[in-house]
Amino acid sequence: SQQGEEDPQALSIQEGENATMNCSYKTSINNLQWYRQNSGRGLVHLILIRSNEREKHSGRLRVTLDTSKKSSSLLITASRAADTASYFCATDATADSWGKFQFGAGTQVVVTP
Amino acid sequence: NAGVMQNPRHLVRRRGQEARLRCSPMKGHSHVYWYRQLPEEGLKFMVYLQKENIIDESGMPKERFSAEFPKEGPSILRIQQVVRGDSAAYFCASSPRSIADEQFFGPGTRLTVL
Repeated sequence: SQQGEEDPQALSIQEGENATMNCSYKTSINNLQWYRQNSGRGLVHLILIRSNEREKHSGRLRVTLDTSKKSSSLLITASRAADTASYFCATDATADSWGKFQFGAGTQVVVTP
Repeated sequence: NAGVMQNPRHLVRRRGQEARLRCSPMKGHSHVYWYRQLPEEGLKFMVYLQKENIIDESGMPKERFSAEFPKEGPSILRIQQVVRGDSAAYFCASSPRSIADEQFFGPGTRLTVL
């Protein structure tokens, strides 16, 4: 099974609301990253959080990491229609000899005007 | 500085034909990664290459799939004798070093096998 699993699978909200999605993983990691994928496009890197960090902010994005629970959350505040996309977490396990990324199945977010 | 380039963007093949997918990494990046994405799923790692070397191909099917990253030119993912189950989006990413904070993704090649 995948190292990262996102929850929920899909999320529908209105503009201005906050969107929260979670990622759980199974083994010890070096880093956890969040990516966005617009329909039919490649992935765009959003934010990286290292295993010794607990929270990071970037614009309207807030990421938390709880290594004891092996989980991370991504919060998008004041969502916009342009935030409609799929969001993926990617982890690189400490057991890997190089920084191999393992992606979850993603959370599909739809923001309606 | 151009991003990661992939071509073709869309590729249609009949069962039994060969598919060749190309990836040009970002300038200065010598590490290339290939991923496959099935509909409604996340990306699955296939292979990691450096110039002229395959570093990790643990995600590649043992048969019909091969990858290379020659000294000159793009990285190639080759699928021989395609089957319908090979229909997917194939993404290439590159990074300047192996333990990279970020991989930069191309737009993908969507392969459809008829």
